[in-house]
Formats: sequence, C-alpha cells, structure tokens
Amino acid sequence: QKEVEQNSGPLSVPEGAIASLNCTYSDRGSQSFFWYRQYSGKSPELIMFIYSNGDKEDGRFTAQLNKASQYVSLLIRDSQPSDSATYLCAVKNYGQNFVFGPGTRLSVLP
Amino acid sequence: EAQVTQNPRYLITVTGKKLTVTCSQNMNHEYMSWYRQDPGLGLRQIYYSMNVEVTDKGDVPEGYKVSRKEKRNFPLILESPSPNQTSLYFCASRLAGGTGELFFGEGSRLTVL
Repeated sequence: QKEVEQNSGPLSVPEGAIASLNCTYSDRGSQSFFWYRQYSGKSPELIMFIYSNGDKEDGRFTAQLNKASQYVSLLIRDSQPSDSATYLCAVKNYGQNFVFGPGTRLSVLP
Repeated sequence: EAQVTQNPRYLITVTGKKLTVTCSQNMNHEYMSWYRQDPGLGLRQIYYSMNVEVTDKGDVPEGYKVSRKEKRNFPLILESPSPNQTSLYFCASRLAGGTGELFFGEGSRLTVL
C-alpha cells in the first residue's frame, strides 16, 4: 500500500513565526513531491513542487526533500493569518498517479 | 481562462437514483482524474484517465463509473448511489509531462439520503 502520512494537526503558530509541516511517504519509487494548500470548502491549489534532494525556496515557502529518509517538509516563514489552511502533501510515482496525505491543518494566530 | 469545471457544485439525492457529475477542462490536458475527500481521509483517487478511451481504477473505484470519449470531458457516474458516497468530489487534470501539476475543479458536494 503506497501511503503518504502527515500529522493532522491542528498546528498553531503565532503570526510572524515559522510553520513547519512534515510528510513521510512509503513508496521509494516516488519521483516528485507537491505541497497543496486548501482553504475550507475550496479546491486545493499548488504551493510548491520539488524533485531533487535538498531545499527549494519560493518567497516565504521552502520545501525540503530527503529521499533516503522518505521525508518531505514545507517551511512557511513569517506566517500570516491568511496562511491558515489545510496543507496537503502529494507524491507522484512512476505510474504517474498522485497519492495525497490526509493534510495538516495550520492555524496562524494574530 | 484556464480552468476545470465541475457540475453540479451541490447535489442532494436519494439512494439508488443514478446521477452524473460532469467535468470539463479547457487546457488540452491528457490526464484527468476524480477524487473524493472525506474528513480525516484526505483526497482518495476514484478513477483516472491517461488519454481518450483510456481509463483505470484508483484506490476507491467501487460504486463509480467513468468514461473518456473526448479529451476535455471526464464524467463521473454513480449508477446506484448509496449514503456512503456522500462526499466532496474533485475533478483534476494535468499535462502528461512537464511539472505534473494537478489543476483542480471547484468541487462537487454530494449528499445521498
């Protein structure tokens, strides 16, 4: 069973702090990794994707990938109340299918 | 505007009454997929299609049918809906290559009584 696991949260951080979201996956054949943000009742929207080991930065967001540990994370710097949402980790394998984690609910407190 | 369009957005129906949720994309994407989202379970794939006339089961296909007669359309059919199919459904599409980013429709909230 190919699985993607995340802490369900809620993860609460104060405004301006760094939020750290974590994801582990079981399929070593996974090729690419995505973070989606989903506001309540809305559709998921892509935040970042990463293919290679290491860090990838885009504005306040940094994705980190460690394939040996089968671990991917998302850091959100200077967290804002508007970042409050559920963050979905998704993994794409050689079969071209996406497997989603259950999501981590983030709450940024003003 | 590039988009994935689902209809209906909201539907309340009764057990056993056949229904179809339509999905259409205007981005010429080869790949299309249906997901259902339930609290605590995340997005689970129902069916996907790599191209016209090519469909395959995802993780939770029981009780659902799909067809892909045209590249832009990928309807989800519930032949005999049951209450356990009450869920939020998302259609998504992407190019076969490239970044592989999935583009999602706005979702269809289905309630089966």
